Amino acid sequence: SQTIHQWPATLVQPVGSPLSLECTVEGTSNPNLYWYRQAAGRGLQLLFYSVGIGQISSEVPQNLSASRPQDRQFILSSKKLLLSDSGFYLCAWSLAHTEAFFGQGTRLTVV
Amino acid sequence: GQQVMQIPQYQHVQEGEDFTTYCNSSTTLSNIQWYKQRPGGHPVFLIQLVKSGEVKKQKRLTFQFGEAKKNSSLHITATQTTDVGTYFCRDRDDKIIFGKGTRLHILP
Repeated sequence: SQTIHQWPATLVQPVGSPLSLECTVEGTSNPNLYWYRQAAGRGLQLLFYSVGIGQISSEVPQNLSASRPQDRQFILSSKKLLLSDSGFYLCAWSLAHTEAFFGQGTRLTVV
Repeated sequence: GQQVMQIPQYQHVQEGEDFTTYCNSSTTLSNIQWYKQRPGGHPVFLIQLVKSGEVKKQKRLTFQFGEAKKNSSLHITATQTTDVGTYFCRDRDDKIIFGKGTRLHILP
């Protein structure tokens, strides 16, 4: 069966520090991969999505970047975190035109 | 691009009352999916509707897809505390853009 792993679950980082969140999927091939951010009590904002290795589409201009070095690995990064980067980050995968499966999420607090 | 609007944004109901959230689009949807996110959790897929006028039920939850495939609704009968959370709809496309969701609060 397919599983998605996202870590860490919580993270507290100082302003200006770098960020790396990792997401891996098991049990499927060539999934579409997604990064979302959710502010407290708000909706899901799509940050990046990828339909294949090395293919990244950015939905909003921001202080973040994403990479897909392997088929089932998706990484969210920042060189210098801002206070406004705080939030709940969710990784998800789907196959074309199917439902999305989410990781457990990373709660990031920038202090 | 296509936008999916979801209303209401928040809803407080007394336990045992019914609840409905609506998803509306300005253009025809290919299909619609519904998700539930419990407080502190991640969204979980509930159901997908494909056909015009389709109605599906999951216990106390009833999902409808409009005849014109431009709107959808999720109705919960006799809410329970376990129904607390945010309900999202999305049009099925590769980007997976979600509506803003409806946060349901249950008053005991």
